[in-house]
Amino acid sequence: GESVGLHLPTLSVQEGDNSIINCAYSNSASDYFIWYKQESGKGPQFIIDIRSNMDKRQGQRVTVLLNKTVKHLSLQIAATQPGDSAVYFCAENPPQGKLIFGQGTTLQVKP
Amino acid sequence: NAGVTQTPKFRILKIGQSMTLQCAQDMNHNYMYWYRQDPGMGLKLIYYSVGAGITDKGEVPNGYNVSRSTTEDFPLRLELAAPSQTSVYFCASSPGTGLQETQYFGPGTRLLVL
Repeated sequence: GESVGLHLPTLSVQEGDNSIINCAYSNSASDYFIWYKQESGKGPQFIIDIRSNMDKRQGQRVTVLLNKTVKHLSLQIAATQPGDSAVYFCAENPPQGKLIFGQGTTLQVKP
Repeated sequence: NAGVTQTPKFRILKIGQSMTLQCAQDMNHNYMYWYRQDPGMGLKLIYYSVGAGITDKGEVPNGYNVSRSTTEDFPLRLELAAPSQTSVYFCASSPGTGLQETQYFGPGTRLLVL
């Protein structure tokens, strides 16, 4: 079946460093991708999205990169802060389908 | 706008009991969803609805029922609670314009079945 997976379950970074969270998706026809942030005890919160006709999109301190050739998605967080500590999920949207979520990567920011 | 709201926040059930998890959204979204999230895992789709009166099964519908009598509300019903239903339940909504869409999530309901 279809699946969206993340390469590492936990990522630990020093405050102020840049973070890179990776995601592999399996449906080459997926045309929309989203990154969500989930803080402890809360629901997932939208961070940034990207459509398949783009390979890069920037937000405030976050950048999403899409490599369709290898079906890879990454989320880059610049100058990581303690408030960035959370679980990050990628999700893919196949055409005519529903969002498929990965298992998530825990980002730990060390002071 | 309150966005997506869920009640209760936390509930303990005994095996065999029933309950309804409430979800409401005030964004006039057509699509609504119910997910469950087990510890350390991602989100699994239970049921979804593309509009009032229309519901469909997701990946893990067994043991659950839903209804969608209004655009705003999408309750999830557990008829005979089982320990395997211990999880955190999230409701979400999206505009339902048919385009690539972002889903907006509620704060979740934590359910413990003993």
